[in-house]
Amino acid sequence: QVTLRESGPALVKPTQTLTLTCTFSGFSLTTDGMCVSWIRQTPGKALEWLARIDWDDGKYYSTSLKTRLTISKDTYKKQVVLTLTNMDPVDTATYFCVLGIRRHRYFDYWGQGSLVTVSS
Amino acid sequence: EIVMTQSPATLSVSPGERATLSCRASQSVSSSLAWYQQKPGQAPRLLIYSASTRATGIPARFSGSGSGTEFTLTISSLQSEDFAIYYCQQYNHWPPDFTFGGGTKVEIK
Repeated sequence: QVTLRESGPALVKPTQTLTLTCTFSGFSLTTDGMCVSWIRQTPGKALEWLARIDWDDGKYYSTSLKTRLTISKDTYKKQVVLTLTNMDPVDTATYFCVLGIRRHRYFDYWGQGSLVTVSS
Repeated sequence: EIVMTQSPATLSVSPGERATLSCRASQSVSSSLAWYQQKPGQAPRLLIYSASTRATGIPARFSGSGSGTEFTLTISSLQSEDFAIYYCQQYNHWPPDFTFGGGTKVEIK
């Protein structure tokens, strides 16, 4: 059974760096075709894809946010980490960790999400 | 960037009735389109991929159609558990970006 769980701070201040961790089970990120993405959802419910890391360590970033994003994986710990620098109130959102299997470019499994509020 | 536009923003439907949701792409995405359902307090769930293929465990009352720039999600007979927000997502033009529509909320009439 695939599960993904996001963890990180609920509140960050403007200009700070956000670090989110996705801890997963039920699959290995060394298996061909496994791809973990981060997607966020604003309070207005819009969905925005942020970044993806693949089984072969390929990394992909949103065009609009790539200068602020870093994604990495620890296959031994079964974790994927996302950092987003220079946080702003517009970055307030629920951040989801999401799995695409078999190199899918759609999203088969979703974590429950982690709400992050940016406020001083 | 490919812009995905969903309509209507809100759809009021009575249980048992048919619901038709639309998704339009700003340029052709071929059949590289997925649909997701999101209920309050939950994460989105994959319903349809490749424009018309139901994901595992999705009831047959959900169907998808279309290609190119125009897509439709049809729920043939709405059940109480189907009242939710529905999103489309294109994946033809990736990299660089996956993009989602703004969602259609299906509410009880």
